[in-house]
Amino acid sequence: DTEVTQTPKHLVMGMTNKKSLKCEQHMGHRAMYWYKQKAKKPPELMFVYSYEKLSINESVPSRFSPECPNSSLLNLHLHALQPEDSALYLCASSQDSGSFRNTEAFFGQGTRLTVV
Amino acid sequence: SQQGEEDPQALSIQEGENATMNCSYKTSINNLQWYRQNSGRGLVHLILIRSNEREKHSGRLRVTLDTSKKSSSLLITASRAADTASYFCANLLLINTGGFKTIFGAGTRLFVKA
Repeated sequence: DTEVTQTPKHLVMGMTNKKSLKCEQHMGHRAMYWYKQKAKKPPELMFVYSYEKLSINESVPSRFSPECPNSSLLNLHLHALQPEDSALYLCASSQDSGSFRNTEAFFGQGTRLTVV
Repeated sequence: SQQGEEDPQALSIQEGENATMNCSYKTSINNLQWYRQNSGRGLVHLILIRSNEREKHSGRLRVTLDTSKKSSSLLITASRAADTASYFCANLLLINTGGFKTIFGAGTRLFVKA
């Protein structure tokens, strides 16, 4: 199983809502990532979890709150978002984030988020 | 900016022709990866070329790396309509917490006409 599963595929939320994006992998990968991608732009790294600990936070606003409950799951909690936060949110995983030997990342299909 | 530059931004070719995309960074290149993305969905890893390699092949893909010029190119030979997608290069940067982060290039949108 080389799949990263993201749910939901589409999400529309109001600026006062609280919602969560979910990501799951069963490849035994110990590094998981959240990326944000705007239309016609490359993905931008938001967070990196390595061995279930937050390793990188790319100065992401606190209205985005990541959580890694276990080695297979990664959540992104959303609260009080702005319309400019509308984007495709991609989750990825890799064997290890600290070694160049295991750098291939497997991406999920993304959650297309619209903030109204 | 650490983001890589890619050219061309968009490329339209006939089926059967070759497609070449170029990528360059201002920072040093460690391990350079190429990804493909269909219609704003997930990215698919195509090929990884390490900093001590100059050329790598995988099926119809050929990747070259010039670390002195901090650049890489991706060649797709005998293109097919199904190759229509966006292609991104990605450089890995080591960070002082011991992990690394992936810095994507701006992307090339390839359109292959049947």
